[in-house]
Amino acid sequence: DTEVTQTPKHLVMGMTNKKSLKCEQHMGHRAMYWYKQKAKKPPELMFVYSYEKLSINESVPSRFSPECPNSSLLNLHLHALQPEDSALYLCASSQDSTTDTQYFGPGTRLTVL
Amino acid sequence: AQSVTQLGSHVSVSEGALVLLRCNYSSSVPPYLFWYVQYPNQGLQLLLKYTTGATLVKGINGFEAEFKKSETSFHLTKPSAHMSDAAEYFCAVSDIRGGGTYKYIFGTGTRLKVLA
Repeated sequence: DTEVTQTPKHLVMGMTNKKSLKCEQHMGHRAMYWYKQKAKKPPELMFVYSYEKLSINESVPSRFSPECPNSSLLNLHLHALQPEDSALYLCASSQDSTTDTQYFGPGTRLTVL
Repeated sequence: AQSVTQLGSHVSVSEGALVLLRCNYSSSVPPYLFWYVQYPNQGLQLLLKYTTGATLVKGINGFEAEFKKSETSFHLTKPSAHMSDAAEYFCAVSDIRGGGTYKYIFGTGTRLKVLA
């Protein structure tokens, strides 16, 4: 089973709201990733967690706050977002951060009003 | 630094025709190469990958790709296009960062349209 699940599927929020995106995998993977994808563009890496520790932070604004409560879960906390943050947010996982193949979830479509 | 170039942001083929999506990479070390497909408003699905070994790689849905080191290419092909193949296709190369963490470098994507 190579399934990564993400909730919610769609999210609409105002600029003053606080919300969270969730990602879960049960493949025993120890590396998890957050990507942001704008329309007609490739995914852009935001964060990488390896063994529940933040491994890569691609200079993402502090209004995005990742959290990895355990090896199966990855959250992305959102606060005071801007309309330009509207995008598809993708979660991925791999066996570990030194392993090549990443498996992606279906994404959360975020709209910031 | 590694990079990936996908020639042709849009490709149209007739149903039943050959599909050829081009990907070239630049890498100073042997790369790991991937093709992913993305249907509208969905995540990326792995089609196939090359790590080591046989240079002709077969993937899901009848797709295959050939790693050609001399041409630094990893083009994706399918002998006969089906309407359900219409999607966005991304080529990616693994870039190993400090500490051994892999990061994907994605191409800009190719949108495949299949004509009836």
